[in-house]
This record gives sequence, structure tokens and C-alpha cells, in this order.
Amino acid sequence: EIVLTQSPVSLSLSPGERATLSCRASQSVDSRLAWYQQKPGQAPRLLIHDASTRATGIPARFSGSGSGTQFTLIISSLQSEDFAVYYCQQYKNWPPWYTFGQGTKLEIK
Amino acid sequence: EVQVVASGGGWVRPGGSLRLSCAASGIRFSSYWMSWVRQVPGKGPEWVATVNLDGNEKFYLDSVKGRLTISRDNDRNSLYLQMDSLRVEDTGVYYCVRETGAFFDIWGQGTMVTVSS
Repeated sequence: EIVLTQSPVSLSLSPGERATLSCRASQSVDSRLAWYQQKPGQAPRLLIHDASTRATGIPARFSGSGSGTQFTLIISSLQSEDFAVYYCQQYKNWPPWYTFGQGTKLEIK
Repeated sequence: EVQVVASGGGWVRPGGSLRLSCAASGIRFSSYWMSWVRQVPGKGPEWVATVNLDGNEKFYLDSVKGRLTISRDNDRNSLYLQMDSLRVEDTGVYYCVRETGAFFDIWGQGTMVTVSS
């Protein structure tokens, strides 16, 4: 099983600031990593796939980078609607055994 | 309009059974692999099972093999999860999700399953 470790567990920032979230994989997943945003009471929403490709309709302030075992999600200038929990997910395994990180909670300072 | 609506959740005792259903519209259901992903409130999501386009290939999380069965009916644009021999650790919100390239691009609203004595 590939374990994903996200850091920090929580992050307190102000609107307009830049957020940097990290995801580390226990073994290489190449670029087979996605990022999701989840707001209270809602299902997760796909933000980024293949480490750096924004999903349809996702604003340009969200960007992903990395490969192998180290990945980063950057939100360049936080908007009020960006405060949520963010999860990474790997999809390297075949047969499928997809795993998620434990999440980073982005809170308003 | 994209709609993915899961139903069938509820409360059940350990060892009991439930059948989850998912009705999809607006997502070209028959052209995509489909999955179930669950989440304990306050925890990260956990992939449970995936089915291929025609339903003859199925993949499961090890801890659910032999107890949970995923299936689909492309004529009805529907996905199912038969849940037998349920355990306390199967408790969570179960999401019906569309799989694209092995990541999950469309999520339904989820249905809550509680396994408790």
C-alpha cells in the first residue's frame, strides 16, 4: 500500500495570502497524483490531476507540481471560498489500490 | 445537467446487509469506469471498489473483498454496492464516483452507512 502523508495538518492564513500544501508518497507514484477540495457537508471536488493539470473549471490560482514522492499544491492568492480541507490521492497501482492522504485543513486567520 | 444520486444507506447491526444504489445522468455513464469511495466524517476518503465499463472486471480494497460486491447496469445508468457481513469499520459516507484515468472527477452527494450494535 502506498501511504500519502500531507503537511501541515492545518494551516491558518488570511485572504490574499499564498498557501503551500505538501503531499509525500511512501514510494514513487510518478505523476499519478490528484488533489481534491472538500467543504463541510459536501463531497470532495477534483482540483488537479496528473500532478499539475487543472481540472475543468478550476481557477488558475490553483497549481500543482511535483513527481515521484514529493508533491505541492499552491493557491496563489486565497479567496474566502478556498478555506476547506484538501486531500491528495495517488493512482499509481495496478490492479487499482488507490489511496488518499489524511488531509490539510486550510483555515481563515 | 450532471446528477449522481446515491441511496440505500442506513443503520444496520454488525453482520447485516445493505444494498447501495447510484443513479447517474448527464455523465455518459456507460463510457466510464465507476467506483465507490467511503469516508468516515473527519477522516480522509478511502477507495472501496471499482468496476470497468461492461462490469466484468471488478477491483476491491482488501478489507472488503468477499463481503462487498460492486456492479453496474448500463441500461439503467446505475451503479450498485451489495454490502454483506458488515462490520463496524464499514461505517461512513459512501460516494458514487466517476473514474477518469484512475482519478475521480465526478462525485455524488453520498449516502451514510452506520454499522453499530
